[in-house]
Amino acid sequence: EPEVTQTPSHQVTQMGQEVILRCVPISNHLYFYWYRQILGQKVEFLVSFYNNEISEKSEIFDDQFSVERPDGSNFTLKIRSTKLEDSAMYFCAEGGGYEQYFGPGTRLTVT
Amino acid sequence: QQPVQSPQAVILREGEDAVINCSSSKALYSVHWYRQKHGEAPVFLMILLKGGEQKGHEKISASFNEKKQQSSLYLTASQLSYSGTYFCGTGSNFGNEKLTFGTGTRLTIIP
Repeated sequence: EPEVTQTPSHQVTQMGQEVILRCVPISNHLYFYWYRQILGQKVEFLVSFYNNEISEKSEIFDDQFSVERPDGSNFTLKIRSTKLEDSAMYFCAEGGGYEQYFGPGTRLTVT
Repeated sequence: QQPVQSPQAVILREGEDAVINCSSSKALYSVHWYRQKHGEAPVFLMILLKGGEQKGHEKISASFNEKKQQSSLYLTASQLSYSGTYFCGTGSNFGNEKLTFGTGTRLTIIP
């Protein structure tokens, strides 16, 4: 099973600040995903990324969100102006077929 | 639309069996099962594809009823390590696309 790493493990930020969450896939998979999970709730899809382009995004993924793969390995999720309701666990996942393997997550706390 | 899981929660004694159900109002092409322990990432258990065979390993298996648009996860002779929240995620027939997760089933195994 691929091992995806994510940094930081926990990020505390003030409302209105920008945050960048990072993901480092450790495989040759081509598909990457970001999901979020508000405490105690289900996992929600944010965006999928293939061949350095967004392939699908959800209604949650509005203009304040962006994804990049700046150096061909790291994979980032940026939230430009955080809101209180952005507090959640953010997971990146990778997949090469049908399976998707999740990273350990970044806990984002917006105060 | 998200799949519906039942039951929402179940408490078992070690060694007992459990069945977790996942149903969808939309046609199912793939069903992905994950287990998540508190504060950790979802861990991939297995995937069932439309037209595929029932899957299983050790004491955890799953079935996929395409006509009823349902999948069931079977845990036999449960162990303490099986405790966690189980999520089903539904995917498309193309693979590599977003997963839509159910609300989860919290399984607690007591000695």
